[in-house]
Amino acid sequence: QKEVEQDPGPLSVPEGAIVSLNCTYSNSAFQYFMWYRQYSRKGPELLMYTYSSGNKEDGRFTAQVDKSSKYISLFIRDSQPSDSATYLCAMPLRVGYSTLTFGKGTMLLVSP
Amino acid sequence: DAGITQSPRYKITETGRQVTLMCHQTWSHSYMFWYRQDLGHGLRLIYYSAAADITDKGEVPDGYVVSRSKTENFPLTLESATRSQTSVYFCASKPGPAHTDTQYFGPGTRLTVL
Repeated sequence: QKEVEQDPGPLSVPEGAIVSLNCTYSNSAFQYFMWYRQYSRKGPELLMYTYSSGNKEDGRFTAQVDKSSKYISLFIRDSQPSDSATYLCAMPLRVGYSTLTFGKGTMLLVSP
Repeated sequence: DAGITQSPRYKITETGRQVTLMCHQTWSHSYMFWYRQDLGHGLRLIYYSAAADITDKGEVPDGYVVSRSKTENFPLTLESATRSQTSVYFCASKPGPAHTDTQYFGPGTRLTVL
């Protein structure tokens, strides 16, 4: 079992909807979590990061960590067609390591 | 151009041939990475480098060779390409060893092995 699990989707929503994207992880030592966004035929780019438990908000995006459940979420409010992309969660491969392990990514489609 | 670039962007080759994918970054980042991305597997780390002349294996290194003689370049070589190496390859870099440092990805190379 991969250390990070993510539903591949696709997740289709209408414009303006609230979107919830989720990942589960197995290593309880993980403290730092990232969300990358990848547009079609492009490289991933860092969208948000969060440290330990709780919420972090950035505009229409909120990253949430529930360490007790080993569950991280990315919420997108007022979703736009330009949010259509694949969203990958990521975390350090091992605590203190420089490398990341990624979820498989969830494809999001926002229709006008 | 500033940033991280990959070449070629598209490559078709035949089984058994040697192929080299190039990666170049202009930020003088010490860390560089090679990933492959496949449907059903997501992004998987092939090799990474902490500095010039320092490389280490990632999750799926078999069949690949890397070198890093200069900080800004990190070529990936498939010594004898196989069909299972058909994939999209991404290079990435980051400033230093902290796991909080952001990884910046290149645009990718789409490789097809016939």
